[in-house]
Amino acid sequence: SAVISQKPSRDICQRGTSLTIQCQVDSQVTMMFWYRQQPGQSLTLIATANQGSEATYESGFVIDKFPISRPNLTFSTLTVSNMSPEDSSIYLCSGCRDREFDEQFFGPGTRLTVL
Amino acid sequence: AQSVAQPEDQVNVAEGNPLTVKCTYSVSGNPYLFWYVQYPNRGLQFLLKYITGDNLVKGSYGFEAEFNKSQTSFHLKKPSALVSDSALYFCAVRDPYNFNKFYFGSGTKLNVKP
Repeated sequence: SAVISQKPSRDICQRGTSLTIQCQVDSQVTMMFWYRQQPGQSLTLIATANQGSEATYESGFVIDKFPISRPNLTFSTLTVSNMSPEDSSIYLCSGCRDREFDEQFFGPGTRLTVL
Repeated sequence: AQSVAQPEDQVNVAEGNPLTVKCTYSVSGNPYLFWYVQYPNRGLQFLLKYITGDNLVKGSYGFEAEFNKSQTSFHLKKPSALVSDSALYFCAVRDPYNFNKFYFGSGTKLNVKP
């Protein structure tokens, strides 16, 4: 498995500002994902980060609100733009190799609070 | 559509007793099933997976899971629970026709009392 780190681990932000979360994997992975999770709840997939091309967003998530970059096979960023209190959540990055039976491995998460 | 269900929001068990966390799945094709654990303020950690073959899969921390095709279930088990097993557990399935897609259950909170 690989090790994923995320920065920042937590942040408190003001309404209307933007925050960029960084995700770094210690080895190359084919797929990277961004999830949102309310504490104690299940995961909601935001998007699949594609290397060298635009991310693939799930229903209800748009690029203007959650722009994603993935310049190489080990790094991705998620920006939460024009934040509102409803964006307060835990944001998780994950990676996966491309064999069909490979598991995802997750970063520790970024806990975001928007005031 | 592929999906997994965890019918129990919470499971309570006494330390030393066996534990079971339930998961059922609905998948077209051969399922690739996973269990993850999440401790407070942490990311998800992989526990075990079923790909094919032996229906009893062994994983980390003494956990195992039994794949039952006729009942479309993949229940997580441990013979003797520890207080430190208290955490949030997620079952997941990978779409065999679209490897970009993982479907997670709603999660089950396991409470192990001393």
